[in-house]
Amino acid sequence: ETGVTQSPTHLIKTRGQQVTLRCSSQSGHNTVSWYQQALGQGPQFIFQYYREEENGRGNFPPRFSGLQFPNYSSELNVNALELDDSALYLCASSLVAGYNEQFFGPGTRLTVL
Amino acid sequence: AQSVTQPDIHITVSEGASLELRCNYSYGATPYLFWYVQSPGQGLQLLLKYFSGDTLVQGIKGFEAEFKRSQSSFNLRKPSVHWSDAAEYFCAVGASGGSNYKLTFGKGTLLTVNP
Repeated sequence: ETGVTQSPTHLIKTRGQQVTLRCSSQSGHNTVSWYQQALGQGPQFIFQYYREEENGRGNFPPRFSGLQFPNYSSELNVNALELDDSALYLCASSLVAGYNEQFFGPGTRLTVL
Repeated sequence: AQSVTQPDIHITVSEGASLELRCNYSYGATPYLFWYVQSPGQGLQLLLKYFSGDTLVQGIKGFEAEFKRSQSSFNLRKPSVHWSDAAEYFCAVGASGGSNYKLTFGKGTLLTVNP
C-alpha cells in the first residue's frame, strides 16, 4: 500500500509568481484535503476535494485553488504569491465514508522571497 | 465553529518520566478527536483517534488518550518517555456530521526529552 506522496519537496518562488503543488492520495482513498502550516503553527485547512469537486473550503482567498483528477490525485495552485504564503503545505487523503481519519503526506516547503 | 486549545507550547521531560499533553476542544456535538505527531520537517503521523465508545483509547508507540466530555478534554499520555518521542504534537478535532470533513488543529506542543 502506497502512502500519500507530494511533490516537489521544496520550492522557492518570488512574490507575484504562481505555484502548483501536487499530491497523490493513498491507495483506495477518494478524498484529498490541503492544509497550510506556517512556522510555529498548527495546520490550517485550505480546502477538500471529493470526486473532483470542492467539498468545503477554509478561510483562504480565491487565489488558492485546486483540482482533483479521476485517479484522485490533486493539485494546489496559488496565484500572485505573497510573502505570507511561505509555509509547509500538507496534503491528506481519506475515505469520505470513514470517520474522516486523514493520512498526511510529507509536505511541500514553499518559500516566497 | 470547532476549535482546539493546547495550553502548553513547550514541555521538557526526562527520559523515562511520564508525560501528559493537554488538549481542550470546542465543538457543539460529539467530536472526532485525534492526536498527531510531527518530527522536524516532516508530515503528520496519526498517533490515535477517538470516535465513540471507550473513552480511553490506545495508540501507537505506547501512547494513550482519554476523552472527558465534561471537561472538553482529550489529553495524551505516555507512562515512560523515550528520547525518540521528541517531536511536536498536535491535537485535532473533526466534525462528526455533514459533508465537510476538515480537521481543526491546535497550535501544537513541542516536546523536548532530556537524557
